Amino acid sequence: SYELTQPPSVSVSPGQTARITCSGDALPKQYAYWYQQKPGQAPILVIYKDSERPSGIPERLSGSSSGTRITLTISGVQAEDEADYYCQSVDGSGSFVVFGGGTKLTVL
Amino acid sequence: EEQLVQSGAEVKKPGESLKISCKGSGYTFTSYWIGWVRQMPGKGLEWMGIIYPGDSDTRYSPSFQGQVTISADKSTSTAYLQWSSLKASDTAMYYCARGYCGSGGNCYFDYWGQGTLVTVSS
Repeated sequence: SYELTQPPSVSVSPGQTARITCSGDALPKQYAYWYQQKPGQAPILVIYKDSERPSGIPERLSGSSSGTRITLTISGVQAEDEADYYCQSVDGSGSFVVFGGGTKLTVL
Repeated sequence: EEQLVQSGAEVKKPGESLKISCKGSGYTFTSYWIGWVRQMPGKGLEWMGIIYPGDSDTRYSPSFQGQVTISADKSTSTAYLQWSSLKASDTAMYYCARGYCGSGGNCYFDYWGQGTLVTVSS
């Protein structure tokens, strides 16, 4: 079965830049998406189609794609950015939705 | 305002059946997909399946095929997730989410319900 691989955790100090990666063989041909989930809350979409930002999402969150890897970049990290982040895409044939295992972002 | 409102928390015994719901409002219910996502305690998100209420086209993750049934009622703008025989391992938070699927089947979820906590314990 198709898998998306994320690092379990990333830690940064306030004001620094956090980069969360997600790897998958089908990413060169399928769009990817990022969700933010804070404790006790439902996930929210923060990036769609690799790099587009929904309305209301701060500009400091951005997405990029290169080959089999996508990256969520959070510039000028703030305490409120501390959350779990999940990438999501579909398999190569577009038949099945897949989530990455999630990355816990800790703001030191 | 687009919104998905899910039914309340459930406590069930192993072997019992259950049907939870997700009611959409603020948009044309039949024009978007509804997906279901499981989150076991302390774990990540798992895609279970997706339904297009417009024509009831339904797709399941191989991990959940045969374990649950996804359905939708256009007349009430409500999607459902049901089990015929619950197991303790079904204990989890279940989210519904509005799905946008482009050409080629690439789907993502732009609005999420608040979640339904299902606890299965004897």
